[in-house]
Amino acid sequence: GQSLEQPSEVTAVEGAIVQINCTYQTSGFYGLSWYQQHDGGAPTFLSYNALDGLEETGRFSSFLSRSDSYGYLLLQELQMKDSASYFCAVRAMANQAGTALIFGKGTTLSVSS
Amino acid sequence: NAGVTQTPKFQVLKTGQSMTLQCAQDMNHEYMSWYRQDPGMGLRLIHYSVGAGITDQGEVPNGYNVSRSTTEDFPLRLLSAAPSQTSVYFCASSPTGTDTQYFGPGTRLTVL
Repeated sequence: GQSLEQPSEVTAVEGAIVQINCTYQTSGFYGLSWYQQHDGGAPTFLSYNALDGLEETGRFSSFLSRSDSYGYLLLQELQMKDSASYFCAVRAMANQAGTALIFGKGTTLSVSS
Repeated sequence: NAGVTQTPKFQVLKTGQSMTLQCAQDMNHEYMSWYRQDPGMGLRLIHYSVGAGITDQGEVPNGYNVSRSTTEDFPLRLLSAAPSQTSVYFCASSPTGTDTQYFGPGTRLTVL
């Protein structure tokens, strides 16, 4: 089966940089995704890494090391609106891209002024 | 496009009652999934479908049934509701070949 571990809470101040780590155990690996969720609303897609290295999308970056079964989400120039829960996720089934995901329990990020 | 829609937004049931949570998408996505979210537990996969007529179980399928008669709709049925099924239920869809899931707004279910 699959399991993912991420910290339950992270706090930071506006303008800072924060890193949310995710370690995973999977029977097969087809990529690591990150989702953001505000106050119990619908989760929204942030980024996806299939290969080792850094993917950058504006203020957000995501990193993957397959040899270490590890990834992280990096949020720069933090804003109050970044206060949310962040989930890492892996594909539930082999060779079925997009079918369904297994999620970590989420990291609650609190940004203060 | 409306994206992924879910009805109802809120529902209260008594133990033993049955109901269907509706999910529809207008993006012509082949893949659809149901998740439940409980405090401190993240999102857990209940059932998923790779296309009309094809469904499979996820992490926590017990107590739930699904069917997929059309590409657009993927209803989730609770046959005999239990208090342990009190949760927020999210439906999601994704296009073939990507891991990007598009989530609906959720249904908040309370079973008394």
